[in-house]
Amino acid sequence: ILNVEQSPQSLHVQEGDSTNFTCSFPSSNFYALHWYRWETAKSPEALFVMTLNGDEKKKGRISATLNTKEGYSYLYIKGSQPEDSATYLCAPSNQAGTALIFGKGTTLSVSS
Amino acid sequence: DARVTQTPRHKVTEMGQEVTMRCQPILGHNTVFWYRQTMMQGLELLAYFRNRAPLDDSGMPKDRFSAEMPDATLATLKIQPSEPRDSAVYFCASGLVLGGSKNIQYFGAGTRLSVL
Repeated sequence: ILNVEQSPQSLHVQEGDSTNFTCSFPSSNFYALHWYRWETAKSPEALFVMTLNGDEKKKGRISATLNTKEGYSYLYIKGSQPEDSATYLCAPSNQAGTALIFGKGTTLSVSS
Repeated sequence: DARVTQTPRHKVTEMGQEVTMRCQPILGHNTVFWYRQTMMQGLELLAYFRNRAPLDDSGMPKDRFSAEMPDATLATLKIQPSEPRDSAVYFCASGLVLGGSKNIQYFGAGTRLSVL
């Protein structure tokens, strides 16, 4: 069972602020790290999948980095907008094809 | 626009009744997952199937829950008898898992279950 920790649990920022949050996971037997975005009353949607130490992924104003040696990933949002308000979930996996074990997420609220 | 379809979207039932939730995975996907969203646990894995065969159902209360895939286009999750503590949103997700694939999961809209 993978122990996934996400921090902070929630945060509230103003429109235009940049922010970041953390996902920590066991560094042993690492295979991949997934980030999902989950808007209220909708379904989780995949943002990024990263597999290699040092990987960086970017989609618009959102980017993520991966450190497999120390077991963490950062998600960054530059210039937050109200539409970025959502819960961001991370899920590591330790082999191909296994189910993802999701962290409890970081809930972001962006005020205009 | 391929998507995972879950029915019903909402279900209100009385304690002790049987509840059946259905999921139609994206055509061509070989892996189906059932999750439950709770306040305490977040998104909790209940069970998953690969090519219709159950791979792991250790997250599912065995005495009252059962999950099946009668065919490649239908997955079901049953609760019998239902209890108030089963009230939650149940999500189905599907994905195509091949050697070296990224294992991205696509989620349905969920079934919101309320057991009175």
